[in-house]
Amino acid sequence: DAMVIQNPRYQVTQFGKPVTLSCSQTLNHNVMYWYQQKSSQAPKLLFHYYDKDFNNEADTPDNFQSRRPNTSFCFLDIRSPGLGDAAMYLCATSSGQGGTQYFGPGTRLLVL
Amino acid sequence: KNQVEQSPQSLIILEGKNCTLQCNYTVSPFSNLRWYKQDTGRGPVSLTIMTFSENTKSNGRYTATLDADTKQSSLHITASQLSDSASYICVVSPYGGSQGNLIFGKGTKLSVKP
Repeated sequence: DAMVIQNPRYQVTQFGKPVTLSCSQTLNHNVMYWYQQKSSQAPKLLFHYYDKDFNNEADTPDNFQSRRPNTSFCFLDIRSPGLGDAAMYLCATSSGQGGTQYFGPGTRLLVL
Repeated sequence: KNQVEQSPQSLIILEGKNCTLQCNYTVSPFSNLRWYKQDTGRGPVSLTIMTFSENTKSNGRYTATLDADTKQSSLHITASQLSDSASYICVVSPYGGSQGNLIFGKGTKLSVKP
């Protein structure tokens, strides 16, 4: 089945220790998104790729970076995680502008 | 300011009962509105999508309605099941917005009890 896959599902890291979250998709969608979702809050868009074009949201901290080496994969790098970065990180994909976004299961990040 | 407000914040119902969740938005111009279901610890899953010209859309026991004049939408769940326990998120897409420019509501947390 076509899907959006996120690894790992749970990630524990130490304060200040870089961490990378992974997302892959078999939908062949040209747009991929990364969201941060904290408890009982709506997902907050961090950035998205339209093909290879990277689009950063204005209020996304510099601590968050992303890479998209090919259509299928996208990575979220947190260079120096703080306690406030503990959250669920959701990857989503869509086909073109305005298309329905298909979400992965999320990676829950815990920062110790 | 583009906003999506959902009510109630949380809801508890008994298995087999019906319920209706509300979504009010101020997004303008408006392209489409989606309802997502998000199970605890999982990513959101799309239930329905409606453009401004559609009044109702069904997906099994889920029926969404849209009134583009009053900028209101509802999600009606019929004959609720325990598996319906989840957060339901209303998401509005502005017309002509950028790729990622979706406006999310905070969701309604539904608990279905036996």
